[in-house]
Amino acid sequence: AQKVTQAQTEISVVEKEDVTLDCVYETRDTTYYLFWYKQPPSGELVFLIRRNSFDEQNEISGRYSWNFQKSTSSFNFTITASQVVDSAVYFCALRRGAGGTSYGKLTFGQGTILTVHP
Amino acid sequence: GAVVSQHPSRVICKSGTSVKIECRSLDFQATTMFWYRQFPKQSLMLMATSNEGSKATYEQGVEKDKFLINHASLTLSTLTVTSAHPEDSSFYICSAPLVGSTDTQYFGPGTRLTVL
Repeated sequence: AQKVTQAQTEISVVEKEDVTLDCVYETRDTTYYLFWYKQPPSGELVFLIRRNSFDEQNEISGRYSWNFQKSTSSFNFTITASQVVDSAVYFCALRRGAGGTSYGKLTFGQGTILTVHP
Repeated sequence: GAVVSQHPSRVICKSGTSVKIECRSLDFQATTMFWYRQFPKQSLMLMATSNEGSKATYEQGVEKDKFLINHASLTLSTLTVTSAHPEDSSFYICSAPLVGSTDTQYFGPGTRLTVL
């Protein structure tokens, strides 16, 4: 069985602060994919990143960075110099690798509500 | 880039009526689509996998007779909530995986269903 845990239910920061959203996952698969999505108040999911299980290289995209550590089954997301527009619900998700009937299904974490105050 | 659309974006209906939600892949073919449900302030939960040309597969605890899924073509899947009740009020989101070099999952904008 697969499981994704986002222990932080809500985080509140002041603009320009850095914030890290935690994600811990469980899977027995050797091949899998990890995702982060942003869900603004409109409800539409915005894709942020996809990482496969064989690529542990950390990634930076503008103010966003991701730290993938297989040893601790974590895939944490950091926003540097947060802005009010970053306020949203952020979901971490896990997907099995290609093949099999579970291909394409995502298991989502509970989500972290991030509020950035001006 | 690939886009998935949903229609309607918002629907309000009376208890006991049926509601149909459409999910379309606009510029790619999707033999498989997924339907998720999200209750307020909760996570997305997979309801079912829609398969073009065959029956949908439902997750445990999801009533297949209540949530009818039809994958009519390679670009269209429909979810019909039959005899809707207030507890069915939720945000329904579909997704379609793009198999190939990008191997990415695309989500629709969601449909907010309110059953009075």
